[in-house]
Amino acid sequence: AQSVTQPDIHITVSEGASLELRCNYSYGATPYLFWYVQSPGQGLQLLLKYFSGDTLVQGIKGFEAEFKRSQSSFNLRKPSVHWSDAAEYFCAVGDSGGGADGLTFGKGTHLIIQP
Amino acid sequence: ETGVTQSPTHLIKTRGQQVTLRCSSQSGHNTVSWYQQALGQGPQFIFQYYREEENGRGNFPPRFSGLQFPNYSSELNVNALELDDSALYLCASSSGTRSYEQYFGPGTRLTVT
Repeated sequence: AQSVTQPDIHITVSEGASLELRCNYSYGATPYLFWYVQSPGQGLQLLLKYFSGDTLVQGIKGFEAEFKRSQSSFNLRKPSVHWSDAAEYFCAVGDSGGGADGLTFGKGTHLIIQP
Repeated sequence: ETGVTQSPTHLIKTRGQQVTLRCSSQSGHNTVSWYQQALGQGPQFIFQYYREEENGRGNFPPRFSGLQFPNYSSELNVNALELDDSALYLCASSSGTRSYEQYFGPGTRLTVT
């Protein structure tokens, strides 16, 4: 069964500093990988996705993520964070083999931005 | 383009009762998936509906059931509510049955007392 691990429950970053959120996945084949952001009281917003091809993917709001098959990782990065980036971030894996198993999410990383 | 909408926003029920949550999919999307997000956890897949039939299911008991209507909107029904059913219930719509490009609604917060 597929699984996602987000090792960091909380991360605190100063405004303007760079950010990296870690994500490791377990999946037998090439996965579909996603990062979502959730602000308090809101649903999930898709930041970016990886299906195949270039392992560095660009998303919205200045985020990017790199797929590293050898490390089973899909870490999210941003060169300079803004106070509005404070939120909960979820990494998810989807079934690239077809079917309807839904997305499997990690437990999330809570991002705190210090002024 | 209209996004995914859910109703109600909040709901309080008593243990043993039944509840129905509603979701309207994004324009042009024919597939609806439901997720349960307990406090402090990531969303967990409940099931997916496509062409008015259940197309896939996660590890949830049969008292969780659903419907999809010809206009692609959907309902999630939960019978015999338990305290552990307290959670944010998220609906996501997509075009087709693959699990990517899912667009989420704001969720319904269910509290079971």
